[in-house]
Amino acid sequence: EPEVTQTPSHQVTQMGQEVILRCVPISNHLYFYWYRQILGQKVEFLVSFYNNEISEKSEIFDDQFSVERPDGSNFTLKIRSTKLEDSAMYFCASADDRAGNQPQHFGDGTRLSIL
Amino acid sequence: RKEVEQDPGPFNVPEGATVAFNCTYSNSASQSFFWYRQDCRKEPKLLMSVYSSGNEDGRFTAQLNRASQYISLLIRDSKLSDSATYLCVVREGSQGNLIFGKGTKLSVKP
Repeated sequence: EPEVTQTPSHQVTQMGQEVILRCVPISNHLYFYWYRQILGQKVEFLVSFYNNEISEKSEIFDDQFSVERPDGSNFTLKIRSTKLEDSAMYFCASADDRAGNQPQHFGDGTRLSIL
Repeated sequence: RKEVEQDPGPFNVPEGATVAFNCTYSNSASQSFFWYRQDCRKEPKLLMSVYSSGNEDGRFTAQLNRASQYISLLIRDSKLSDSATYLCVVREGSQGNLIFGKGTKLSVKP
């Protein structure tokens, strides 16, 4: 069964540094998403991406965040200057439809630890 | 603010028990509903979509009440492997982003 893959599985970074989290969505999917989950809290939507542009973003997704699909397969999330509160699991998801009962498929996440 | 509310549990049940989880959502315009399961420190995995007429998948039955904005999940004949956190999820917005509940933790004991 096709999978969403994410790298790295764990990233440890000093506060203020830039990080790039990488995702390879399922190949025929068109809609891409990033979510985060702070330890012990619920999964929160960050951003959706379609047709090479951001289609929706939450209030969490401020100017420190950006997304890109540089080569038609990878989908990246960049955090420019990390803060302690950015420590969380970051999940990438993809779907072949944004509506109806088509589910989003999640990657196994990147655990980001900011020191 | 669009919210999905769930009883956090934990629900501690013996193997073979039947257990039910409930969820309410705030946005009456929501169109799509799902139950995901999440094991500790793992990604959410789709358990089942929830259809207006209710649907069943083996030991799992999901119900939707649009008038009450209420979703339920029933698990029959619980297995040890059912131990996980069950996430009630609603699809929102024009781009289909998901709104998650905090989850209900289930622990099935021998």
